[in-house]
Amino acid sequence: ETGVTQSPTHLIKTRGQQVTLRCSSQSGHNTVSWYQQALGQGPQFIFQYYREEENGRGNFPPRFSGLQFPNYSSELNVNALELDDSALYLCASSLGGIESYEQYFGPGTRLTVT
Amino acid sequence: DQQVKQNSPSLSVQEGRISILNCDYTNSMFDYFLWYKKYPAEGPTFLISISSIKDKNEDGRFTVFLNKSAKHLSLHIVPSQPGDSAVYFCAAQNSGGSNYKLTFGKGTLLTVNP
Repeated sequence: ETGVTQSPTHLIKTRGQQVTLRCSSQSGHNTVSWYQQALGQGPQFIFQYYREEENGRGNFPPRFSGLQFPNYSSELNVNALELDDSALYLCASSLGGIESYEQYFGPGTRLTVT
Repeated sequence: DQQVKQNSPSLSVQEGRISILNCDYTNSMFDYFLWYKKYPAEGPTFLISISSIKDKNEDGRFTVFLNKSAKHLSLHIVPSQPGDSAVYFCAAQNSGGSNYKLTFGKGTLLTVNP
């Protein structure tokens, strides 16, 4: 069984640029959630995708957007990067439905905005 | 507004002793609670969970206790081992909500000394 993978591992961008982060779900999982973890904080929910549709969004501006593909992999796009976007971005997959409580996380992408 | 609080940023215990990590929540809609462990440069790893219909759940060395009236849960690790040294996150979920987002605390750094 393949776990959750994310790419790239690290990324350095300049303020104002755009970035795309990628996530492959654990085999058999159809739900993907994205979280932002700032230094010294717990992960904060960005949004969730279930069967290619957005299924809830946290308190993040519209310049944070996402996609889920038919194979349930996912992308997180951030436009007009700001310095405060520097964080660890975590993707978590789960099985939507009754057994969706446990979410399994990837190793994360460390984004640095300069 | 921090809905899940872990008031101890760090905890240090001796190998073989009990580690007790605490978590408080304010949202009465939360009905499922999870503990995750995180090593540096890795994503959070699911450890143990508990539904609000229970007050205790045990898995090997790990036991989670839930006191709904106090809106408090705790994770007991016994006996503690040096490999348990990591950041522990408490997370909560409203299973009746439109999505399955997790709300995390800020984490507690556990150090188990040999």
